[in-house]
Amino acid sequence: QSVLTQPPSVSGAPGQGVIISCTGSTSNIGTGYHVHWYQHLPGTAPKLLIYGNSNRPSGVPDRFSGSKSGTSASLAITGLQAEDEADYYCQSYDSSLSGFVFGTGTKVTVL
Amino acid sequence: EEQLLESGGGLVQPGGSLRLSCVASGFTLSSYVMTWVRQAPGKGLEWLSEVSGSGTSTRYADSVKGRFTTSRDNSKNTLYLEMNSLRAEDTAVYHCAKKYSGGDGWFDPWGQGTLVTVSS
Repeated sequence: QSVLTQPPSVSGAPGQGVIISCTGSTSNIGTGYHVHWYQHLPGTAPKLLIYGNSNRPSGVPDRFSGSKSGTSASLAITGLQAEDEADYYCQSYDSSLSGFVFGTGTKVTVL
Repeated sequence: EEQLLESGGGLVQPGGSLRLSCVASGFTLSSYVMTWVRQAPGKGLEWLSEVSGSGTSTRYADSVKGRFTTSRDNSKNTLYLEMNSLRAEDTAVYHCAKKYSGGDGWFDPWGQGTLVTVSS
């Protein structure tokens, strides 16, 4: 079961920006565990976008940025491009479940 | 380039068994904790298990504990997921991934997955 809550969908016109929220609790994000973000196109391998709350791996455009505060985290995408249409997932660790947890997933649509 | 390639998926009857494989290339498998994650049709990602670099330590999500077993053969650069007592709700695409950093680390890279369908 997903213990991290994300909006089902967000959309924006090309060039605009969107923000995806990831809401957790005191047993995961709020405890201080890091949040990571992935981009996923069905049928392909999920791709790491952000690690350690706000760090971008080599090759990920700086249009993608992450932040964390309290029991929540956010992924911001600026300058939307058609290729950004995909599903996005946050991920953290949950001490109550003693395991890793993913967000419910957000579908980004570029209008 | 680091790559992971899963295989072994297919159609299996409820109550049956299946073994998935994940072959790693471009990095030394024994140096990393490895994980399995699945995505059921129309659903999100679900973490299933992880295994230490040596293979001596494992942990599982409650949904598969006691039914699934993760193991590895570092000499073959291969990770395995043995799945028993399969249920319809185990139908999903199964991905393997390399885990970075400590207890709350991230997964990178991932394989593109192998489809398991549990149906009579």
